[in-house]
Amino acid sequence: QQQVKQSPQSLIVQKGGISIINCAYENTAFDYFPWYQQFPGKGPALLIAIRPDVSEKKEGRFTISFNKSAKQFSLHIMDSQPGDSATYFCAASNTDKLIFGTGTRLQVFP
Amino acid sequence: DGGITQSPKYLFRKEGQNVTLSCEQNLNHDAMYWYRQDPGQGLRLIYYSQIVNDFQKGDIAEGYSVSREKKESFPLTVTSAQKNPTAFYLCASSSRAAGAYNEQFFGPGTRLTVL
Repeated sequence: QQQVKQSPQSLIVQKGGISIINCAYENTAFDYFPWYQQFPGKGPALLIAIRPDVSEKKEGRFTISFNKSAKQFSLHIMDSQPGDSATYFCAASNTDKLIFGTGTRLQVFP
Repeated sequence: DGGITQSPKYLFRKEGQNVTLSCEQNLNHDAMYWYRQDPGQGLRLIYYSQIVNDFQKGDIAEGYSVSREKKESFPLTVTSAQKNPTAFYLCASSSRAAGAYNEQFFGPGTRLTVL
């Protein structure tokens, strides 16, 4: 019930393409769903987050789509760039902890 | 310049030795966290603290210990009881203000290698 399942494990996208990463959860008490971006050797940084009362949130090229009934949410990166190459983690929170997915390694080739 | 600092960036220790990883934050956050990251795996919670002088075990607390004597500091000790301590350790903090979501800010990490 506390798990967040993330897929795919790795993703290769051509420059200018759309990158899509999916996450699923079981615990309906989760009320905050952030996405983190991590470059090699660095700490994760918050990229974008959503609450379950909205179905979509967009910030620049990054969009979260949220499906409450299916208990799924996804990150879409439009016009993917080589600088987006990183590991992306979804997470879910209820009160005092964040539960992280296992990560997706994104590689964007020019 | 507000943020979270972790030191050192790289740490080497011999097997059987205890080692303490430093984490300091000047964000005035109440809550602090320690995670362990292994290659190809997500972030696993070791310990967390929501207020000074109080902390809770996370999912993989065995072989680790923490203290929270000051709001700004949350050091992690990796003891000799930890069977496989080589990993990348991340510290994070978040505000516990009423209505605030659990937006966690991470430090740069410490890579511990036990020889």
